[in-house]
Amino acid sequence: EDQVTQSPEALRLQEGESSSLNCSYTVSGLRGLFWYRQDPGKGPEFLFTLYSAGEEKEKERLKATLTKKESFLHITAPKPEDSATYLCAVPLPSSGSARQLTFGSGTQLTVLP
Amino acid sequence: SQTIHQWPATLVQPVGSPLSLECTVEGTSNPNLYWYRQAAGRGLQLLFYSVGIGQISSEVPQNLSASRPQDRQFILSSKKLLLSDSGFYLCAGLDSGYTFGSGTRLTVV
Repeated sequence: EDQVTQSPEALRLQEGESSSLNCSYTVSGLRGLFWYRQDPGKGPEFLFTLYSAGEEKEKERLKATLTKKESFLHITAPKPEDSATYLCAVPLPSSGSARQLTFGSGTQLTVLP
Repeated sequence: SQTIHQWPATLVQPVGSPLSLECTVEGTSNPNLYWYRQAAGRGLQLLFYSVGIGQISSEVPQNLSASRPQDRQFILSSKKLLLSDSGFYLCAGLDSGYTFGSGTRLTVV
């Protein structure tokens, strides 16, 4: 069964304390892996799309990387405003042109000042 | 780039009442459209998707239905709400990438 698993479920960091979030997937024929940020009561906000192993993308204090089995979201010197839930998702291989996403359960990040 | 509009932002409805949530898309034509529900916690569950006008696919059997009367309009409905229908409903569109609306918080009382 195609699955997306995120860890840890929750992470508390001190401001400036770098760390990584993990997203592992078991889908075959990956057609992209998506990272989103979600603030409470809001819709997910797009961060990155990765398509092939070895690919990396950066945005401010965030860097996403991809291997054949997992993706990492590295947060360097986080600030309190980075506190949010981070979601990863992949399109279901069986979805054809519909390309519906299956999501992990997310990592709730709290950055303390 | 596309923008997804959803309303209302918050809704409190009694058990047994009908529901209609609307999603409209701006900035693109003929996008794939999706309805997700997010229960307490963080996971998003796909409810319905549409690849075109009048084309609806359901992912899970439930008390809800969806319709796409126009290219850029996607509606989530129920004839009689259940307590278990409470949750955070998100509309998303696929153009060059996936974009989400701001969501509707539905509480069934």
